[in-house]
Amino acid sequence: SQQGEEDPQALSIQEGENATMNCSYKTSINNLQWYRQNSGRGLVHLILIRSNEREKHSGRLRVTLDTSKKSSSLLITASRAADTASYFCATDTGNQFYFGTGTSLTVIP
Amino acid sequence: NAGVTQTPKFQVLKTGQSMTLQCAQDMNHEYMSWYRQDPGMGLRLIHYSVGAGITDQGEVPNGYNVSRSTTEDFPLRLLSAAPSQTSVYFCASCQLNTGELFFGEGSRLTVL
Repeated sequence: SQQGEEDPQALSIQEGENATMNCSYKTSINNLQWYRQNSGRGLVHLILIRSNEREKHSGRLRVTLDTSKKSSSLLITASRAADTASYFCATDTGNQFYFGTGTSLTVIP
Repeated sequence: NAGVTQTPKFQVLKTGQSMTLQCAQDMNHEYMSWYRQDPGMGLRLIHYSVGAGITDQGEVPNGYNVSRSTTEDFPLRLLSAAPSQTSVYFCASCQLNTGELFFGEGSRLTVL
């Protein structure tokens, strides 16, 4: 399988705290993306980082990419109860997108 | 815009029955794909297409067929359903130059 893995599998934090989740993957990539999935819904795109980029910001999201270690991290700052969801990393090698196993984030109000 | 529309949302089949999951997008995306999501497994790519008339296999294609006769539609066919195909299926599309996937709301399939 070419799937990546997210770590941790589950994360529970208080509202206002920061949440960090990590993604490791196996093959060379073009881009790495992060998606959010609310319970029972489809995935929603959050942010894309290209293989030649090391860090990217979007609002309260910060993504880093280390291609030498084949890993990425997603930081959500000042978390809110509405951030409760599962988060997936996805890598693409051209025409195929591979998703990790996900991190389930619970933000306690 | 409706985005990516999947039907049906829920379906129960008996082993050996056939069915088609429908997927349509109104964003003129070249790329369309099907995934299955199982607990603890994340999403796994079944089949994908980079344009009308072109399809290719993903990680887990066995037991599934696809076709892409138009840019808008990408149906997924189960020819003889098996209990191992019980899953939630997602269709997704994107412009190839952006790579940002847009997902449907999913189709929950149970095979008895």
